[in-house]
Amino acid sequence: NAGVMQNPRHLVRRRGQEARLRCSPMKGHSHVYWYRQLPEEGLKFMVYLQKENIIDESGMPKERFSAEFPKEGPSILRIQQVVRGDSAAYFCASSPNRGGNEQFFGPGTRLTVL
Amino acid sequence: GENVEQHPSTLSVQEGDSAVIKCTYSDSASNYFPWYKQELGKRPQLIIDIRSNVGEKKDQRIAVTLNKTAKHFSLHITETQPEDSAVYFCAAGPMDSSYKLIFGSGTRLLVRP
Repeated sequence: NAGVMQNPRHLVRRRGQEARLRCSPMKGHSHVYWYRQLPEEGLKFMVYLQKENIIDESGMPKERFSAEFPKEGPSILRIQQVVRGDSAAYFCASSPNRGGNEQFFGPGTRLTVL
Repeated sequence: GENVEQHPSTLSVQEGDSAVIKCTYSDSASNYFPWYKQELGKRPQLIIDIRSNVGEKKDQRIAVTLNKTAKHFSLHITETQPEDSAVYFCAAGPMDSSYKLIFGSGTRLLVRP
């Protein structure tokens, strides 16, 4: 049973470009969470999605950031017009259902904005 | 808003000694408290978790205690080994429609051989 997959593992973008991060949850998991981790800091919640639904996006910046989890295919975190402050590790986690169940993390995407 | 405080930020112990990391949370409705270990450049990995209907849980050298009244929970590692060296994060799962995890800021544990 493959774990949570994320790609790319490393992404370099210039200021103003778009970054697109992908996350495939574990088989049988329908809940996806995105977290951001700045260097030497903890993980900050960004958004929680189920298939075709955004459940909670309270941690996501109002502008330039969007997320989706379509019926088919991976969850996508999209950052438009990236700035240097967007440089971070972005982790995706999945869980089989809501409420008190462990979240399994992917290997992360390390975004560097030049 | 929801908040999790974690102490200490760094901890250095001699191999074989015990290590204790403490967290407090603000949302009294939280009912799920996992601990994650993250090695440099790697993903966070769950090492132990506890739910609010339990006061203590143990798994070999690792134990977690929870005091719901005080909104405190702690990680205890006994007989530490150099491979325990990593950053440890506590988290709390608020009881709302989201079930997101709120993480502490992390503790960098160094086990000296």
